[in-house]
Amino acid sequence: AQSVSQHNHHVILSEAASLELGCNYSYGGTVNLFWYVQYPGQHLQLLLKYFSGDPLVKGIKGFEAEFIKSKFSFNLRKPSVQWSDTAEYFCAVNAHSNSGYALNFGKGTSLLVTP
Amino acid sequence: DAGITQSPRHKVTETGTPVTLRCHQTENHRYMYWYRQDPGHGLRLIHYSYGVKDTDKGEVSDGYSVSRSKTEDFLLTLESATSSQTSVYFCAISVTETDTQYFGPGTRLTVL
Repeated sequence: AQSVSQHNHHVILSEAASLELGCNYSYGGTVNLFWYVQYPGQHLQLLLKYFSGDPLVKGIKGFEAEFIKSKFSFNLRKPSVQWSDTAEYFCAVNAHSNSGYALNFGKGTSLLVTP
Repeated sequence: DAGITQSPRHKVTETGTPVTLRCHQTENHRYMYWYRQDPGHGLRLIHYSYGVKDTDKGEVSDGYSVSRSKTEDFLLTLESATSSQTSVYFCAISVTETDTQYFGPGTRLTVL
């Protein structure tokens, strides 16, 4: 079945540690890729997106992601996390299926950054 | 932030009662969506609209209906609420079906 997989469900890091969250998808054809962040009690906000061009995309708050087409991956990275990065992170893939285009979400990764 | 509001923001209701959630946008975007968010499931699409009076089902549409009589408003109705519909409901909007979706603040619905 077509899906979006986020490998880590819960991640705990100390401040200043580096972050990498994995995201793989199984959709063929052209895809648009997104990472959203949801801070506690808030709505989803766009971190970054990839439609085409340079596969290394930079987003807000120092986040970046790399699209590797051959691996069907779109991993999120940040060199040095802060306490304020504590949130849930969702990878999403917009892909075409028999019923048209849809934005498909991974189940999310909960990140806790400790002081 | 995109101009999206949802009402009510919180609601507690009883099993079997009808519930309507409203999404209002000021961006004049063509596409509007309703998702539900549940722990361990991420976000799942309930219904979406690609224009006034044009709607289609998503992944988890059973027990829900929608209506869009104006570009700016997209209503989600639970005809007879069940406890399994306790969730956080998010509205989203986008210019095209492949473009970035922007999310509203959410409605927390509890069905007792």
